[in-house]
Amino acid sequence: GQQVMQIPQYQHVQEGEDFTTYCNSSTTLSNIQWYKQRPGGHPVFLIQLVKSGEVKKQKRLTFQFGEAKKNSSLHITATQTTDVGTYFCAGRGGSNYKLTFGKGTLLTVNP
Amino acid sequence: SQTIHQWPATLVQPVGSPLSLECTVEGTSNPNLYWYRQAAGRGLQLLFYSVGIGQISSEVPQNLSASRPQDRQFILSSKKLLLSDSGFYLCAWNTGQGQVNEQFFGPGTRLTVL
Repeated sequence: GQQVMQIPQYQHVQEGEDFTTYCNSSTTLSNIQWYKQRPGGHPVFLIQLVKSGEVKKQKRLTFQFGEAKKNSSLHITATQTTDVGTYFCAGRGGSNYKLTFGKGTLLTVNP
Repeated sequence: SQTIHQWPATLVQPVGSPLSLECTVEGTSNPNLYWYRQAAGRGLQLLFYSVGIGQISSEVPQNLSASRPQDRQFILSSKKLLLSDSGFYLCAWNTGQGQVNEQFFGPGTRLTVL
């Protein structure tokens, strides 16, 4: 079945440093979504990427979808303590109903 | 606006006891509904999803079951809990329509099996 790998598993940064998490799918995706889960909370949708090579920005967050639609990345510029949490990618492949989630990257930020 | 409710928020159960977790969605009709489990420090594992009343798809063989007795109600059950059933159970919904089809998650139930 479809697998989505995400690295790194953990990332600790000093406030102001940049952060990147990478996502790779075993199969071509129709789209990929990104979610953020604050400690003790539930995942909250951030963005969806659909087109090959697509790049989207949300303030300090930059999301990319690979040309082959099998990989994606999330980059945060100048991290802040409010960025703390686990970031998940989730790929949609052949099924219109199911998302396959990566294991997530836990980001901690030292003030 | 749409809201999703889960209860209870936390639950401590002995091994071998039954389980019933409930999820309800308000403000929408005919949603797709999902049950996920998140083990401590791990990712989200899809357990079941449903595209309509009485329609359940199981993703992982286990001692859990799901039911959808009403359009906006999704129930996760077990007859006998195992230690390995401990985790954070999340219910989610989406419309199955539109270009951006994100999933909206409930607050979750933290289950500890002792």
